Amino acid sequence: AQSVTQLDSQVPVFEEAPVELRCNYSSSVSVYLFWYVQYPNQGLQLLLKYLSGSTLVESINGFEAEFNKSQTSFHLRKPSVHISDTAEYFCAVRPDTGRRALTFGSGTRLQVQP
Amino acid sequence: GAVVSQHPSRVICKSGTSVKIECRSLDFQATTMFWYRQFPKQSLMLMATSNEGSKATYEQGVEKDKFLINHASLTLSTLTVTSAHPEDSSFYICSAGTGDYEQYFGPGTRLTVT
Repeated sequence: AQSVTQLDSQVPVFEEAPVELRCNYSSSVSVYLFWYVQYPNQGLQLLLKYLSGSTLVESINGFEAEFNKSQTSFHLRKPSVHISDTAEYFCAVRPDTGRRALTFGSGTRLQVQP
Repeated sequence: GAVVSQHPSRVICKSGTSVKIECRSLDFQATTMFWYRQFPKQSLMLMATSNEGSKATYEQGVEKDKFLINHASLTLSTLTVTSAHPEDSSFYICSAGTGDYEQYFGPGTRLTVT
């Protein structure tokens, strides 16, 4: 079984400041890792994913996440946030073989202030 | 991109009645659909996995006779909450899978049982 921990339920930050949203996971098998974003009154959208290869993955809107196997982490970062980045962010994992269902963290609310 | 819809977006029903939630993949065929439940300020919890034309696989602790799942076609899955009680009030989210790791999420359905 897998578990995902997002220690920060809310992260307030000023516009143009850097941000890091933390994600740690536990699993007895190799996993794929995902970050999803949920804007108000909308469904979850895939932000980025790690499947294999380079441990640093990037999204088209400036977010990046680094897979650290030794620390079992997949923290999400952005060097300069915008008001429009205000949303709920979910970290999720699933085994790299077999079962395809995702295990989610509890989410982090990113609140970007002007 | 792949779009998944859910209907209704909100529903209020009386205790003891049943309510059906539809999940549709609008522009692709989904071999697998997943149903999640989200409590306020908590993770999405997987309820069941359904494959087209076969019985759903329920997670431990989820009552299959209470949460009926039908996946009659490659574009439609339904979740029926039978004999609803106030404790069934929650946010229900479906996702549809195409390939080995990609899942597309619906916008969710807010169920309130009075």
